[in-house]
Amino acid sequence: GENVEQHPSTLSVQEGDSAVIKCTYSDSASNYFPWYKQELGKRPQLIIDIRSNVGEKKDQRIAVTLNKTAKHFSLHITETQPEDSAVYFCAASISGGYNKLIFGAGTRLAVHP
Amino acid sequence: GAVVSQHPSRVICKSGTSVKIECRSLDFQATTMFWYRQFPKQSLMLMATSNEGSKATYEQGVEKDKFLINHASLTLSTLTVTSAHPEDSSFYICSANGGQITDTQYFGPGTRLTVL
Repeated sequence: GENVEQHPSTLSVQEGDSAVIKCTYSDSASNYFPWYKQELGKRPQLIIDIRSNVGEKKDQRIAVTLNKTAKHFSLHITETQPEDSAVYFCAASISGGYNKLIFGAGTRLAVHP
Repeated sequence: GAVVSQHPSRVICKSGTSVKIECRSLDFQATTMFWYRQFPKQSLMLMATSNEGSKATYEQGVEKDKFLINHASLTLSTLTVTSAHPEDSSFYICSANGGQITDTQYFGPGTRLTVL
């Protein structure tokens, strides 16, 4: 089955710096890759997603890149702010059917003022 | 966006009792819902896929007789933790595909279960 690895497990940056989180997946059939942000004790919130027919997607300060050949995808946050501090999870699934999401282990991002 | 609710948000129970958690899609119909368990500082682990009108599909290592799932309607799935023990204490979260946008999963707010 699918396996998703995520790095780093923790990331500390200064406000205004960029943050990059990387994930790799094992199943070449996976074609949908969402990123979720989870604050302590709350539900995961979808922040951006990408499908395998696209190499890059951007939404304001957040961007995701996908390399299908290498089977890895990355989240880029620019101009980080303290409110970006949270745990970020990547996930992979095969679109259609039951669309089961397999999550990475998570990255705890701390943005220091 | 699609809204998923979950009830209760928090429950404390004695060891040996059963607890039912409800997951509802409020503004869309969800033929498929998912149940996850999240231990402190860990990732979301998929427990089972719940399909309306049919039996749930459980992930490897998840006891189907202990975690009973019922998806009786297009807007409601329930998870019952039977004969709960302290090791079942966890954060249980459901999700549903967002209606017509079938790829996107929207999560409920979660249920914090504490078994004494």
